[in-house]
Amino acid sequence: SQTIHQWPATLVQPVGSPLSLECTVEGTSNPNLYWYRQAAGRGLQLLFYSVGIGQISSEVPQNLSASRPQDRQFILSSKKLLLSDSGFYLCAWNTEIYEQYFGPGTRLTVT
Amino acid sequence: GIQVEQSPPDLILQEGANSTLRCNFSDSVNNLQWFHQNPWGQLINLFYIPSGTKQNGRLSATTVATERYSLLYISSSQTTDSGVYFCAVEYTYSGGGADGLTFGKGTHLIIQP
Repeated sequence: SQTIHQWPATLVQPVGSPLSLECTVEGTSNPNLYWYRQAAGRGLQLLFYSVGIGQISSEVPQNLSASRPQDRQFILSSKKLLLSDSGFYLCAWNTEIYEQYFGPGTRLTVT
Repeated sequence: GIQVEQSPPDLILQEGANSTLRCNFSDSVNNLQWFHQNPWGQLINLFYIPSGTKQNGRLSATTVATERYSLLYISSSQTTDSGVYFCAVEYTYSGGGADGLTFGKGTHLIIQP
């Protein structure tokens, strides 16, 4: 069966520091992968999606970037964090019928 | 882009009660999913239901695509049903499959013992 992992689970970083969040998927090949962010008390917003290695599409202009160095690995990065980058970051993949499944998330607090 | 509206925003019920959550969307969709976000933040898949009716235990869902709405029914509520329920859609013109979901703001459900 398929499993999706995210780490770290929680992170506290100062403003201006770099960021790297990792997402890996097991049990499937060439999945579509997604990064979403959930601000406190709000719905989820799509940040990036990828249909294959090296292929990244951005939905929202921001301080963040994404990369897909391997088939089942998706990385979310920032060179310099802002206070507004705080939130709950979720990685997701979808099945052949485009049903999406989410990882456990990373809770990021920028101080 | 497509708009997704969920109602009610908040709902407080006693254990054992039934509830209906609604999701309205503004355009044709090729994917509609219901999720339950538990207190730890995990998004749990409830239904993949771009059209028709499905049931899973005490939960059932109906999507009427032609009228652009979906309903989630919870019967005999339990305290473990508490959390936020999200409706999310992918709209048809986007090319299908790869463009991600648009989420509603959710319904915050509290089940009191």
